[in-house]
Amino acid sequence: QVQLVESGGGLVKPGGSLRLSCAASGFTFSDYYMSWIRQAPGKGLEWVSYISSSGSTIYYADSVKGRFTISRDNAKNSLYLQMNSLRAEDTAVYYCARIREMVEDYWGQGTLVTVSS
Amino acid sequence: DIQMTQSPSSLSASVGDRVTITCQASQDISNYLNWYQQKPGKAPKLLIYDASNLETGVPSRFSGSGSGTDFTFTISSLQPEDIATYYCQQYDNPPFTFGPGTKVDIK
Repeated sequence: QVQLVESGGGLVKPGGSLRLSCAASGFTFSDYYMSWIRQAPGKGLEWVSYISSSGSTIYYADSVKGRFTISRDNAKNSLYLQMNSLRAEDTAVYYCARIREMVEDYWGQGTLVTVSS
Repeated sequence: DIQMTQSPSSLSASVGDRVTITCQASQDISNYLNWYQQKPGKAPKLLIYDASNLETGVPSRFSGSGSGTDFTFTISSLQPEDIATYYCQQYDNPPFTFGPGTKVDIK
């Protein structure tokens, strides 16, 4: 069965950095696009970024462009999100999701990132 | 970016009621629309894709319709386990924006 497990969240000061990871299993990771979506506490869903199966195509939301970097290691069945210059408004649960024909069909349980001094 | 709106923002209905949520896109997105269900403390779950296709394993009381800019999501007979927030999402053009959500609870 498809499993996505995020890790790497935590408390970080404004201006700091954090790297999130998403470990995938139960499917051929290298065949699928992957994405990150976030949800601020008590708020709705915000799509953050996606990466193609080979890593050659990447897209970011304007709110994170220039600060966040999505990447993947197909040999390790892992997806990453490097987050730099973090702001209070980046505080959220971050979900990784598998993309099937441009539809996020499976989601992980999320990892909480808190940006606070 | 494509903006998505949903109405109502919340609703309260009785078990067995028919529930309808609407979603509107700021431009034509053809049928590139998903519906997700999110229960408190849980990850979203895909219910409907391509505006009207039921995801495998999802009960048939859930349905979707529409194309272009106007879409509808329906629960034909509300069940207690359907208490959740429902989101539409467009995937016509990135960023793949979500609607603000509709919170459904039992009257």
